[in-house]
Amino acid sequence: AAGVIQSPRHLIKEKRETATLKCYPIPRHDTVYWYQQGPGQDPQFLISFYEKMQSDKGSIPDRFSAQQFSDYHSELNMSSLELGDSALYFCASSLGGWDEQFFGPGTRLTVL
Amino acid sequence: GQQLNQSPQSMFIQEGEDVSMNCTSSSIFNTWLWYKQDPGEGPVLLIALYKAGELTSNGRLTAQFGITRKDSFLNISASIPSDVGIYFCAGQFTGTASKLTFGTGTRLQVTL
Repeated sequence: AAGVIQSPRHLIKEKRETATLKCYPIPRHDTVYWYQQGPGQDPQFLISFYEKMQSDKGSIPDRFSAQQFSDYHSELNMSSLELGDSALYFCASSLGGWDEQFFGPGTRLTVL
Repeated sequence: GQQLNQSPQSMFIQEGEDVSMNCTSSSIFNTWLWYKQDPGEGPVLLIALYKAGELTSNGRLTAQFGITRKDSFLNISASIPSDVGIYFCAGQFTGTASKLTFGTGTRLQVTL
């Protein structure tokens, strides 16, 4: 079965640079969630979109923005990167905004 | 913010043994989920629970949604080496595209 696709899988950036992470949900899924997981930590919710509208928001820095496009894929834009932004970023998708969330393989972001 | 406490933090068991872990919350959740995560990979959904008192099985896994809606447990029977990983509980409130709040995780190691 098709799963959530995330790209790139690995990304290395310098401080103060920008990064864009992409997420392609499972086919027919209309809801996307973004989570950040630091080393040895549990995933922390950032933001979610249902039918292209922002739905729920967690502790997402103002330097980060996200959107969901007409084909339901989503992009997380991160600007003025800081060392502390180094983490695994996961996208999850669900059907209808209330079904189980299925996670992608993640993007490992390293900020030098 | 919400806090989900998982115990034990880590377990070292022998192949064939049964495993039990639990998750407690200071808040009531409407849905409890259990995920398994391998290093550097995305969480994989194991079991989802929707009603207080619900007991659900998935192969060698059994999970229950606590009566108070503030706790859940996961049992793994007859553990095998591929059960190694980090197990996370996650709670979710009712609502469109609502976030998952993850537990602190239980690291499971299985010896032959």
